[in-house]
Amino acid sequence: GAVVSQHPSWVICKSGTSVKIECRSLDFQATTMFWYRQFPKQSLMLMATSNEGSKATYEQGVEKDKFLINHASLTLSTLTVTSAHPEDSSFYICSAPNPTGSYEQYFGPGTRLTVT
Amino acid sequence: GQQVMQIPQYQHVQEGEDFTTYCNSSTTLSNIQWYKQRPGGHPVFLIQLVKSGEVKKQKRLTFQFGEAKKNSSLHITATQTTDVGTYFCAGPVTTDSWGKLQFGAGTQVVVTP
Repeated sequence: GAVVSQHPSWVICKSGTSVKIECRSLDFQATTMFWYRQFPKQSLMLMATSNEGSKATYEQGVEKDKFLINHASLTLSTLTVTSAHPEDSSFYICSAPNPTGSYEQYFGPGTRLTVT
Repeated sequence: GQQVMQIPQYQHVQEGEDFTTYCNSSTTLSNIQWYKQRPGGHPVFLIQLVKSGEVKKQKRLTFQFGEAKKNSSLHITATQTTDVGTYFCAGPVTTDSWGKLQFGAGTQVVVTP
């Protein structure tokens, strides 16, 4: 099946710095990708929709200036957490739709961010 | 807005027993999907249900979509240690939001030998 990769798999950064997370569709093209955040023992919360060639759309309550999304190509979306704070520590997961058009989403392995 | 609720939040099961997790939506869903997330892992797609009253089976897993397309269930028979993980149901955020999913809270399954 289709594969989505994320890099890095984990990252530790200091408060106030920025961190970039990459999401790649390895064997298919994705004009749309989705970014989720998952806190420990909680469910996945949709943060934003990444659109190739246009601006990302953000869910209510998600700061677009803090979570910068760039869909640079048909296989790459990046999420940059700017001026990270400890409360931004979480598991960030991207997904891409099944290229055949079914409802299935392929999820990346996730990036665990720890802000100290 | 739409809410997807899932119960129970935790399920301790003796190996070999059956259990069911339930998912309810405040609105009619065009489809519902089920995912499994192993500890430390990412969600993996299990199944999607689209039709009213649909029932699908995958070996020991039985998935149902309610007649009103507002609820769904996952039933696992003869639980094995490999069934450990958190099971999420997910529905589209809005009827026209293809790909954007709202996840239930998940049912964390612990299996004791």
